[in-house]
Amino acid sequence: RKEVEQDPGPFNVPEGATVAFNCTYSNSASQSFFWYRQDCRKEPKLLMSVYSSGNEDGRFTAQLNRASQYISLLIRDSKLSDSATYLCVVNPPGFQKLVFGTGTRLLVSP
Amino acid sequence: DTAVSQTPKYLVTQMGNDKSIKCEQNLGHDTMYWYKQDSKKFLKIMFSYNNKELIINETVPNRFSPKSPDKAHLNLHINSLELGDSAVYFCASSQGNRRTKNIQYFGAGTRLSVL
Repeated sequence: RKEVEQDPGPFNVPEGATVAFNCTYSNSASQSFFWYRQDCRKEPKLLMSVYSSGNEDGRFTAQLNRASQYISLLIRDSKLSDSATYLCVVNPPGFQKLVFGTGTRLLVSP
Repeated sequence: DTAVSQTPKYLVTQMGNDKSIKCEQNLGHDTMYWYKQDSKKFLKIMFSYNNKELIINETVPNRFSPKSPDKAHLNLHINSLELGDSAVYFCASSQGNRRTKNIQYFGAGTRLSVL
């Protein structure tokens, strides 16, 4: 089983739609969780950290379910500029490193 | 004022050559990383240094040798380049403590093409 698994997509949605991405991780002792965004031919950039209580940043909501080892990202009112690859990222225990999922590609169309 | 900068941005070279990629961060972070992103876009860690000390060395051919002259710099030297080394190499840095939760900041990447 991969350490971090995501549906690669692409998810094709119209502007204004709500879209959700899911991710599962294999190491139940993982400590920190993030969503990064990567635009085509650019570097990954932190979108948001994910907390057990769930957290929201504008149109973006992240949730963590430790029991199911599952992370989600919800994007409301999609914009054209949201088109990118969204990377689910986990910090396994005892290591100062991040493990990246393969990413979910989102395409928002007019 | 770029936080994590790496050079060169593009590198085209012949098989068998030796090349280096440089990385510098001005964030005052203690930890730096090298990642490889292959043609399938999978981003995988290669090395990590904390205060000039190697702390992560994933299964990487020993043709790849990182060097950290100080905590703000982490360079990657590659000997005897092979076709399979073609990829985008990203440098990253983090402060790596409980408060920052190891949030990493990436350079713009070096696109290596081995012909």
